[in-house]
Amino acid sequence: EADIYQTPRYLVIGTGKKITLECSQTMGHDKMYWYQQDPGMELHLIHYSYGVNSTEKGDLSSESTVSRIRTEHFPLTLESARPSHTSQYLCASSDQSGADTEAFFGQGTRLTVV
Amino acid sequence: AQSVTQLGSHVSVSEGALVLLRCNYSSSVPPYLFWYVQYPNQGLQLLLKYTSAATLVKGINGFEAEFKKSETSFHLTKPSAHMSDAAEYFCAVRSGGYNKLIFGAGTRLAVHP
Repeated sequence: EADIYQTPRYLVIGTGKKITLECSQTMGHDKMYWYQQDPGMELHLIHYSYGVNSTEKGDLSSESTVSRIRTEHFPLTLESARPSHTSQYLCASSDQSGADTEAFFGQGTRLTVV
Repeated sequence: AQSVTQLGSHVSVSEGALVLLRCNYSSSVPPYLFWYVQYPNQGLQLLLKYTSAATLVKGINGFEAEFKKSETSFHLTKPSAHMSDAAEYFCAVRSGGYNKLIFGAGTRLAVHP
């Protein structure tokens, strides 16, 4: 069973607020990812990390930032939330064993900016 | 570059009927392919994956998929749909050396009595 957790599950926040979406995994995985998913749409990779102190931008441009200070923790931050940031954010992780290794997903954070 | 195309954004079947969800991939190298399922307000759960060991892959919940290189396809099937199969299904391909997963747009499966 996957052990990757995201908090909060749901967040409604006003425009201009700073928010941090938390993601933690207990599997010791080096690789972690953030995907953005609009309702009924595909997932777009916005950030990924190979390990501690490693972060890279994904395929979809995002105003969010990430950090990876600890292996198990990969938070995503929006300095000033806007309605265009309303979406579902999914965190995932995988180990280094090979390209056939699947990614494990958290339950997601549904963000609404009003 | 690698990509995935899922044909049909919505599929509706009767309970007990065959489920067929289509996925075609594009890849210049042998691909690693995955099917994930997403239930409402949940994350993604792995159904099955193709890793070149066998072209017919069996997954959880009675699903299976067949890798056909000549057709660049990896369609997902289940002989008999159950109401609990109603969900969103995503096909994905591994991309590059970073182990990034590239997802298709998803297919929403509805199962009616």
